[in-house]
Amino acid sequence: DVVMTQTPLSSPVTLGQPASISCMSSQSLVHSDGNTYLSWLQQRPGQPPRLLIYKISNRFSGVPDRFSGSGAGTDFTLKISRVEAEDVGVYYCMQTTQFPYTFGQGTKLEI
Amino acid sequence: EVQLLESGGGLVQPGGSLRLSCAASGFSFSTYGMIWVRQAPGKGLEWVSGISGSAGTTYYADSVKGRFTISRDNSKNTLFLQMSSLRAEDTAIYYCAKRSGDFWGQGTLVTVSS
Repeated sequence: DVVMTQTPLSSPVTLGQPASISCMSSQSLVHSDGNTYLSWLQQRPGQPPRLLIYKISNRFSGVPDRFSGSGAGTDFTLKISRVEAEDVGVYYCMQTTQFPYTFGQGTKLEI
Repeated sequence: EVQLLESGGGLVQPGGSLRLSCAASGFSFSTYGMIWVRQAPGKGLEWVSGISGSAGTTYYADSVKGRFTISRDNSKNTLFLQMSSLRAEDTAIYYCAKRSGDFWGQGTLVTVSS
């Protein structure tokens, strides 16, 4: 199984300042079709997960452009250019390149 | 608008069974693979099972293999998760989602306790 490791697990941030979360996979996430199925999800308190970024760097519909994703192979990053109060929650990386799908442990973003 | 609505959760005794449903709307259900993901209280996300659009292929996490069965009825746009031999560690909110993770339901709570 692919192990997804996120750092940090907790991130105190200041409103208006940038934030960054790292995710490393134990194996390459490049699929045989050439795509890398690495996504970032946000889970606000009491809410289901919500897709932010898919295939490393593609923002999902309705996601503010302050969120961006980057990386390749086994090393990926989610960046928030200027944190807003509504960004509080837990962020997960998720790989859907191969079954079983796996998630990072989650990073709690706290103001 | 894509909507996924889970139902069927509740309190069940250890060793018991439960069937979860996920009613889908707003997209061509039979075209897409679907997954179940669970979240134990205060914990992270755990992928449980997946199924192809045609229902020809199914996948399971080792933790539920042999106890859970995923299925779908494309004529009714509904996804199912049949859970048996339930254990305390199966207690969680169960979410259904499109295979790509782009849309998620609100979840249904399963509590396994005597």
